[in-house]
Amino acid sequence: QKEVEQNSGPLSVPEGAIASLNCTYSDRGSQSFFWYRQYSGKSPELIMSIYSNGDKEDGRFTAQLNKASQYVSLLIRDSQPSDSATYLCAVNIGNAGNMLTFGGGTRLMVKP
Amino acid sequence: EAQVTQNPRYLITVTGKKLTVTCSQNMNHEYMSWYRQDPGLGLRQIYYSMNVEVTDKGDVPEGYKVSRKEKRNFPLILESPSPNQTSLYFCASSFRQGTGYTFGSGTRLTVV
Repeated sequence: QKEVEQNSGPLSVPEGAIASLNCTYSDRGSQSFFWYRQYSGKSPELIMSIYSNGDKEDGRFTAQLNKASQYVSLLIRDSQPSDSATYLCAVNIGNAGNMLTFGGGTRLMVKP
Repeated sequence: EAQVTQNPRYLITVTGKKLTVTCSQNMNHEYMSWYRQDPGLGLRQIYYSMNVEVTDKGDVPEGYKVSRKEKRNFPLILESPSPNQTSLYFCASSFRQGTGYTFGSGTRLTVV
């Protein structure tokens, strides 16, 4: 069983809609959670980090964390075609090495 | 500009010919890490470093070596490359435990 799971997609939403991306993780000791955006052929770019239960908003992005249910989600409001990318969920289990475990990514397509 | 710099961006080599991929960060980050990204397998950690002279294996260390003689540099060494090491490689750095990583632009390696 993979430690961090994401639906590979593609998730297709119309421009202006809310895109909802989900991620589940298996290690209850996980302490830090991140969302990265990766355009095709480019490197992952950190867009959100969340450390405690609840919501964290940054512009059009909202990260949600529920440690009891072991899931993290990312909402993108007013989706734009430029948001079309693969979104990677990453989890840090808090070990000494600051290791991140990544999910396989969800491909988002925003259609004009 | 704060960044992680890797070189080269593209490399084609032959089986068994030793190579080094360089990585340097200018953010005074403590942690550095190497990942490889393969279709269907996602991002997997090869090695990481918590500080100068402190390194440890990630999930897929076989066939790779690293060193951290200076805080800013973290080269990846393939002593005897094989075709199964054909991949997209990313170097990344992180300020401290629990924070997200900043990724370099990537090195696309082909071993023939």
